[in-house]
Amino acid sequence: DAGVTQSPTHLIKTRGQHVTLRCSPISGHKSVSWYQQVLGQGPQFIFQYYEKEERGRGNFPDRFSARQFPNYSSELNVNALLLGDSALYLCASSRTPINQETQYFGPGTRLLVL
Amino acid sequence: AQSVTQPDIHITVSEGASLELRCNYSYGATPYLFWYVQSPGQGLQLLLKYFSGDTLVQGIKGFEAEFKRSQSSFNLRKPSVHWSDAAEYFCAVGADASGTYKYIFGTGTRLKVLA
Repeated sequence: DAGVTQSPTHLIKTRGQHVTLRCSPISGHKSVSWYQQVLGQGPQFIFQYYEKEERGRGNFPDRFSARQFPNYSSELNVNALLLGDSALYLCASSRTPINQETQYFGPGTRLLVL
Repeated sequence: AQSVTQPDIHITVSEGASLELRCNYSYGATPYLFWYVQSPGQGLQLLLKYFSGDTLVQGIKGFEAEFKRSQSSFNLRKPSVHWSDAAEYFCAVGADASGTYKYIFGTGTRLKVLA
């Protein structure tokens, strides 16, 4: 089975622009989580979605939003980009959003904001 | 507060030497613990996980980790390091807060392997 896929792999934007990142979970996985990994740091939790509903949100501003589609794929949107939004954005999927489930990570989308 | 600490930012070992990467966690309930590896420019690959039971868990690539509740630690070990093990290693705890299950990661340990 294919793993978690993310697109695009790399992206360059300028300050103030908007960006959409995409994620396709492992087949059969209904929960998707998004993480931001700034250079030199561990990933930070942004959002979790399950069955198209937002289940949780990390400490990120309202410029960050996400949604999950009926096929369980997901989009992360970031408005009014700031230089500090430059990071690797990781998507993770699991069968369900409970604590016995392992999250499997995609390769990430590397965003550079100039 | 829930947190994960990886005290060593960088570790350098010679190929063939043993390795131990330290991880300490702070979590009020039974922890679900993970070690991931990240090669340059790549995503996270799961090495091993601890949910319950035997406190010594085996993972892929010859890695193992030991859960010690009394020390709130989950250290990663490998008896003989290979040059291909050079990467960044992240310890994480699965945290359940208000119905949201998320991972809390440490800041990572970057491993350099000398030939």
